[in-house]
Amino acid sequence: AQTVTQSQPEMSVQEAETVTLSCTYDTSESDYYLFWYKQPPSRQMILVIRQEAYKQQNATENRFSVNFQKAAKSFSLKISDSQLGDAAMYFCAYSPYNTDKLIFGTGTRLQVFP
Amino acid sequence: ETGVTQTPRHLVMGMTNKKSLKCEQHLGHNAMYWYKQSAKKPLELMFVYSLEERVENNSVPSRFSPECPNSSHLFLHLHTLQPEDSALYLCASSQGRGALGNTIYFGEGSWLTVV
Repeated sequence: AQTVTQSQPEMSVQEAETVTLSCTYDTSESDYYLFWYKQPPSRQMILVIRQEAYKQQNATENRFSVNFQKAAKSFSLKISDSQLGDAAMYFCAYSPYNTDKLIFGTGTRLQVFP
Repeated sequence: ETGVTQTPRHLVMGMTNKKSLKCEQHLGHNAMYWYKQSAKKPLELMFVYSLEERVENNSVPSRFSPECPNSSHLFLHLHTLQPEDSALYLCASSQGRGALGNTIYFGEGSWLTVV
């Protein structure tokens, strides 16, 4: 079965510091996509970053970057220079290639302290 | 105005009531989705519509009935729900069918409480 595991229910970081959120997934597929979504208190899920499994280069979006380890089936999110507005639930998600499925983890609540 | 809007934002209904959740996307997308988000559980995909045709129904109970009259609107009709159906229901849309690398845009959700 394809599953996504986020082992950290909660994380905290000081403003301007760096934090890494962990995500592992289980799949027998070789082609797939991985995503990190952010859900602030407004509840709207917002795409933070995505990674195509066939790309070896780690995706980056401004202060957000991933460490994609395909063999280890690991997909962690690094947030640099954390800001108060980064406080939210973060969900890791996996999508097999050419399907409608988007399989989510249970999320990590990130708190940012001034 | 967000790209995907959902109404109502909050709904309380009795187990014998019939109500509907509405979703509208203003992004010109042709695929729409309903997800259920319960506490401490991963988001669950309920329904997928592509070009107004239902393409996936993930074994959702018949007390949930989706309707997609056109590519911009999606409804979730609710009747004889159970208390365990209380959750946040998220609507989403994407340009193409499925994640396929296409970004999925979510609405802010409708909080449903069944009493």
